[in-house]
Amino acid sequence: QSVLTQPPSTSGTPGQRVTISCSGSSSNIGRTYVYWYQQLPGTAPKLLIYRNNQRPSGVPDRFSGSKSGTSASLAISGLRSEDEADYHCAAWDDSLSGPVFGGGTKLTVL
Amino acid sequence: QVQLQESGPGLVKPSQTLSLTCTVSGGSISSDIYYWNWIRRSAGKGLEWIGRIYTSGSTNYNPSLKSRVTISVDTSKNQFSLKLSSVTAADTALYYCARGVSGIMGTTAWFDPWGQGTLVTVSS
Repeated sequence: QSVLTQPPSTSGTPGQRVTISCSGSSSNIGRTYVYWYQQLPGTAPKLLIYRNNQRPSGVPDRFSGSKSGTSASLAISGLRSEDEADYHCAAWDDSLSGPVFGGGTKLTVL
Repeated sequence: QVQLQESGPGLVKPSQTLSLTCTVSGGSISSDIYYWNWIRRSAGKGLEWIGRIYTSGSTNYNPSLKSRVTISVDTSKNQFSLKLSSVTAADTALYYCARGVSGIMGTTAWFDPWGQGTLVTVSS
């Protein structure tokens, strides 16, 4: 059971916009930054979004992050087949004194 | 750019100790703004943070694993290591090492880059 809650799966068609939610609490998302990681099949996770809505160099602006209260969202616009991956949200948790992750969301591009 | 690479046995017997090493290349492991982490992912589950170490030697561990985990660093070799004792089948997972970016008081979940991961299976 992960501390942060994500839907196990979602899907979309090429060109569509999809969003992935991440729900937490006042001890994690509610008081600190949210991070998102993309894990393509058979590869290691890669930083996708940092500090709620910042994109590292090289990440397309089709990917965007937002946060409100104790929840966060990752939006992917102009969906492409190469976006098919697992997406993980993460945040620091003050109660556990460590970073926590969501269970991951598998995105399928139909 | 900085790259991380995990190494160690892929098969460990139940009740024994899992030992992995992460070698950092392309940059020095010694830094005041980075810390060094172990993270794992079991089949069908999400990522789980195991623990971290600063090059000062200061460590933090996941409370659920704290009694069994030791993370150490060897700055002369640009490496850090994980030991997980008394393993069971539940410890079978892909183990990743990752560099962490320290924010205010080190309270971030900012990991970049990651190693490619190494599969460790616990079985007799």
